[in-house]
Amino acid sequence: AQKVTQAQTEISVVEKEDVTLDCVYETRDTTYYLFWYKQPPSGELVFLIRRNSFDEQNEISGRYSWNFQKSTSSFNFTITASQVVDSAVYFCALSEARNYGGSQGNLIFGKGTKLSVKP
Amino acid sequence: AAGVIQSPRHLIKEKRETATLKCYPIPRHDTVYWYQQGPGQDPQFLISFYEKMQSDKGSIPDRFSAQQFSDYHSELNMSSLELGDSALYFCASSPRPDSPLHFGNGTRLTVT
Repeated sequence: AQKVTQAQTEISVVEKEDVTLDCVYETRDTTYYLFWYKQPPSGELVFLIRRNSFDEQNEISGRYSWNFQKSTSSFNFTITASQVVDSAVYFCALSEARNYGGSQGNLIFGKGTKLSVKP
Repeated sequence: AAGVIQSPRHLIKEKRETATLKCYPIPRHDTVYWYQQGPGQDPQFLISFYEKMQSDKGSIPDRFSAQQFSDYHSELNMSSLELGDSALYFCASSPRPDSPLHFGNGTRLTVT
C-alpha cells in the first residue's frame, strides 16, 4: 500500500531562518511520482514540484530546494531564509505511474506540516 | 494564465439536501480530478475523468456521482447530504494523465 508520512505536524520559525520539512513515503511501485503542494490560509492548493522515481537529482528553485533520496524513501523540502509569506500548510504527496506512459493516477497526500514564520 | 474555476466558492446546505459542484478545467486540459478535504485533514481523492470517461475511483460515497461533459467541465453531484460531508472540495485538471495536477480554489461546503 502507498503511504506518505509527514512526521512534523507544526513548525514555527522566525523570519530568515532555514527550515526543512520532512517527507517519507512507502510504495511497492518502482515507478512513481512525488509532489509538494502549498496550502496558504486562503485555502487553495499550490503546486510546487513533481519528481519521478527515476530522477534523484536535487532541485533548487529560488529559496526552495528539494532532496530526493530513494535509499531512505525521503523527499525533503527546505526553505532558505524563510519569510512570513511562507506560512502555510505544506503537503507531500505520492502517486503511482499507471503505465509506461506515466499516467499518474490519484495522489496520496501526507497529513501536512503547518509552517508558521514569525516576523 | 487561466486557472481551474470552481463554483460556487461557498455552499450551505441542510442535511438530506442535494448539492452540485462545478469545475471548469484549464483550457486544453482533458483530465479532471475531484478531492475532498475535511477540516484539518489532507485531501482525499474521490474520482477522476479522462476524455469524458471515468478513469479512476477513490473514496467516493455511493451518494455522490460525477461526470465530465463534452466541453470537459465536470460536475460533482452529492445527494442525501450528511454533516460529515462538510469539507473543502477541490477540482484539479491536467493536460494529460501524466502531467502534474493544477488545483482550483475549492468549494467550501457546509452541511447544517
